[in-house]
Amino acid sequence: DAKTTQPNSMESNEEEPVHLPCNHSTISGTDYIHWYRQLPSQGPEYVIHGLTSNVNNRMASLAIAEDRKSSTLILHRATLRDAAVYYCIRMNSGNTPLVFGKGTRLSVIA
Amino acid sequence: EAGVAQSPRYKIIEKRQSVAFWCNPISGHATLYWYQQILGQGPKLLIQFQNNGVVDDSQLPKDRFSAERLKGVDSTLKIQPAKLEDSAVYLCASTMGGRGSPLHFGNGTRLTVT
Repeated sequence: DAKTTQPNSMESNEEEPVHLPCNHSTISGTDYIHWYRQLPSQGPEYVIHGLTSNVNNRMASLAIAEDRKSSTLILHRATLRDAAVYYCIRMNSGNTPLVFGKGTRLSVIA
Repeated sequence: EAGVAQSPRYKIIEKRQSVAFWCNPISGHATLYWYQQILGQGPKLLIQFQNNGVVDDSQLPKDRFSAERLKGVDSTLKIQPAKLEDSAVYLCASTMGGRGSPLHFGNGTRLTVT
């Protein structure tokens, strides 16, 4: 049980921002929210993670709702190379392994 | 830093044959995972190691799958005998550990059982 809900697919135009939503309404106070993406024929790649505050890195931004029941991964300018499956995952205490759902397949249109 | 290395990249075998996959994690990463990814699905955990000890193998089909991590570094995953439904990509991942530590994945081994 992935315990997160994501849309099956989304589409974006190239060079436009993309907002990928994730619902994790049963999240506990100590669970981190991790995002990974998987390009064709590659293993999943870490994108970003956060606990309570919004986070930014060179790849993306993560906006976490104040009640932590949802989050949004933001790609500021989508490129064709961002076309991938994006996974939103809860990571709880210790070294408990990541449980993947089906993710959101992002298509980017030139 | 060098990434997680896996080999072979592809493998085709007939059902009932055996096969082995190898993984070399990132240096210093104590935790290692094997995932199975069937086409169109997200990765599914098979086994988790902490150093050379097994932490979680509850989803490993132990009648045919086995894994080891000798000396707490490299790991091998074996299937014997293979079934058609074992056709999948086998992914290895490693992490330093801790809730905030991201997982680093290899590019996987694509197994086709005919």
